[in-house]
Amino acid sequence: AQSVTQPDIHITVSEGASLELRCNYSYGATPYLFWYVQSPGQGLQLLLKYFSGDTLVQGIKGFEAEFKRSQSSFNLRKPSVHWSDAAEYFCAVDPTTSGTYKYIFGTGTRLKVLA
Amino acid sequence: DAGVTQSPTHLIKTRGQQVTLRCSPKSGHDTVSWYQQALGQGPQFIFQYYEEEERQRGNFPDRFSGHQFPNYSSELNVNALLLGDSALYLCATGLGNEQFFGPGTRLTVL
Repeated sequence: AQSVTQPDIHITVSEGASLELRCNYSYGATPYLFWYVQSPGQGLQLLLKYFSGDTLVQGIKGFEAEFKRSQSSFNLRKPSVHWSDAAEYFCAVDPTTSGTYKYIFGTGTRLKVLA
Repeated sequence: DAGVTQSPTHLIKTRGQQVTLRCSPKSGHDTVSWYQQALGQGPQFIFQYYEEEERQRGNFPDRFSGHQFPNYSSELNVNALLLGDSALYLCATGLGNEQFFGPGTRLTVL
């Protein structure tokens, strides 16, 4: 079945430390890939997206993600985490690659940042 | 330019009641999708409207229905509310290959 997996439900890092959030998908072809962030009580904000081309994608707030076709992964990274990055992060795919907007989301990873 | 807006922000209903949630799209966006986000879960696709027609639907019962108006705004209606319908309901509007999400409506069913 088509699915998006975020294996880490919670992650805690110290401020200034590096961060990697994992995302794996199971689809036949390469879907459109997205990372969103959600602060408590808020909607979703797009961090970055991958459609095709360069497999390392730069986003907002210093985030980047790398698409690895062989591993069906799209992991999110940040070199140095700030306290304001504490939030929930969702990986999402549009499996049709035709811009249908019918996104499939992972269950999210909640990030806690220690001062 | 206002982003995607939703109303109301919060709503409390009792089982069996009906509810209507509203969404105004980002300027120029003609496609509106609705998602349900239960506590501790990722958003799940309910359905999508384009040119005032339901274009796609997720795995939700017929109690969930919607409408899109000529100005592209949209409503989500849920009939015969169940406790399990308690969730954050997100509206998303799209242009090109990207969707922009509204802040959501928090529905609590008692």
